[in-house]
Amino acid sequence: EVQLVESGGGLVKPGGSLRVSCAASGIAFRNAWMNWVRQAPGKGLEWVGRIKTKADGGTIDYAAPVKGRFTISRDDSKNTLYLQMNSLKSEDTAVYYCSIVGAVTGKLGNWGPGTLVIVSS
Amino acid sequence: SYELTQPLSVSVALGQTARITCGADDIGDKNVHWYQQKPGQAPVLVIFRDNNRPSEIPDRFSGSNSGYTATLTISRAQAGDEADYYCHVWDSNSGDVFGTGTKVTVL
Repeated sequence: EVQLVESGGGLVKPGGSLRVSCAASGIAFRNAWMNWVRQAPGKGLEWVGRIKTKADGGTIDYAAPVKGRFTISRDDSKNTLYLQMNSLKSEDTAVYYCSIVGAVTGKLGNWGPGTLVIVSS
Repeated sequence: SYELTQPLSVSVALGQTARITCGADDIGDKNVHWYQQKPGQAPVLVIFRDNNRPSEIPDRFSGSNSGYTATLTISRAQAGDEADYYCHVWDSNSGDVFGTGTKVTVL
């Protein structure tokens, strides 16, 4: 059974940094494209970024609101995806989900339960 | 940037059919996916690539996509179908794009 579990969320001050993680099991993680998606309280889904497999070049794409502040990385030896968030703003407050991207279809077939990040003084 | 427009809410009588639209320029040329999200839970994929269902999703859920509109149809609506529904595409300029979301209420 495929399982994704995010961790590392919490309260951080504006301008601060935080790293959240996504541990994967039940899949060949090194073969999976991965996404980060966030959802602000009471709002819709918003794409954060995507990382391809090393075999596909390891390309990373970011949404405009986080480009230059957020960094996505992966450690295939630990089956773990990371999201390093710097220069955090109040508008980054959200539940952060990781998901597996279907490389052919683009579908997001498996999601973790999410981790809540609150940016507040 | 590429935008996907959905109605804010759709109401459907128990046992009847609900249709949720997702509009955008030339959406018919893209693969459209649909997700169901219940309060406090992660989204769940219900339709992928326009009209394909994951094996665990009941056949009451179906999709179509043509021209400027993609549609998710829920037949024989049940109380358990009450949720928010989001459409989703990949755009080469904007990346992954989600629709604005539609709240479905079963009366």
